[in-house]
Amino acid sequence: AQSVTQPDIHITVSEGASLELRCNYSYGATPYLFWYVQSPGQGLQLLLKYFSGDTLVQGIKGFEAEFKRSQSSFNLRKPSVHWSDAAEYFCAVVRRNSGNTPLVFGKGTRLSVIA
Amino acid sequence: DAGVIQSPRHEVTEMGQEVTLRCKPISGHNSLFWYRQTMMRGLELLIYFNNNVPIDDSGMPEDRFSAKMPNASFSTLKIQPSEPRDSAVYFCASSNRDRNEQYFGPGTRLTVT
Repeated sequence: AQSVTQPDIHITVSEGASLELRCNYSYGATPYLFWYVQSPGQGLQLLLKYFSGDTLVQGIKGFEAEFKRSQSSFNLRKPSVHWSDAAEYFCAVVRRNSGNTPLVFGKGTRLSVIA
Repeated sequence: DAGVIQSPRHEVTEMGQEVTLRCKPISGHNSLFWYRQTMMRGLELLIYFNNNVPIDDSGMPEDRFSAKMPNASFSTLKIQPSEPRDSAVYFCASSNRDRNEQYFGPGTRLTVT
């Protein structure tokens, strides 16, 4: 069965520092890949997605993610973190061309930003 | 585009009462998903619909939970009777036929006392 692993439950970074959140998936074939962000008291917002093509995808709020087939990974990065980036981040996958089947979500990584 | 709309945003009720949560998906989207989020269990898929038809309700915790989608623009999640352990944030999300990306509503925070 497909699964998504986010190894880091909680990460703390200093404002202005770079960020990388890890995501690994277990799947028979390359799935569609997503990152969502959930700010406190809010719903999940789509940050970026990978369907095909360039393995480095750009998203909103200055985030990017790189798909690495050999490592079954889709790590999220940001070169300089802002205090407003403090939130919960979820990686998600779904089988390609599966119609509207549900995404499989990781358990999330909580990001804290310190001054 | 108004996004996914959920109501109410907050609901406080007493144990044993009926609770109805409402969702309006994004216009043109043909799939709708109900999730529950708690600290202990994280984000759980309860049920989803394609073209107003329930496809998988295996995530619905008990018979006390039911969901309907009478038309493409409206869905309800009902809990009857409610229990304190149902306290959680309930999210609705929608997606369209060609893309799997889901768009989430702001959620309903349910507290059962």
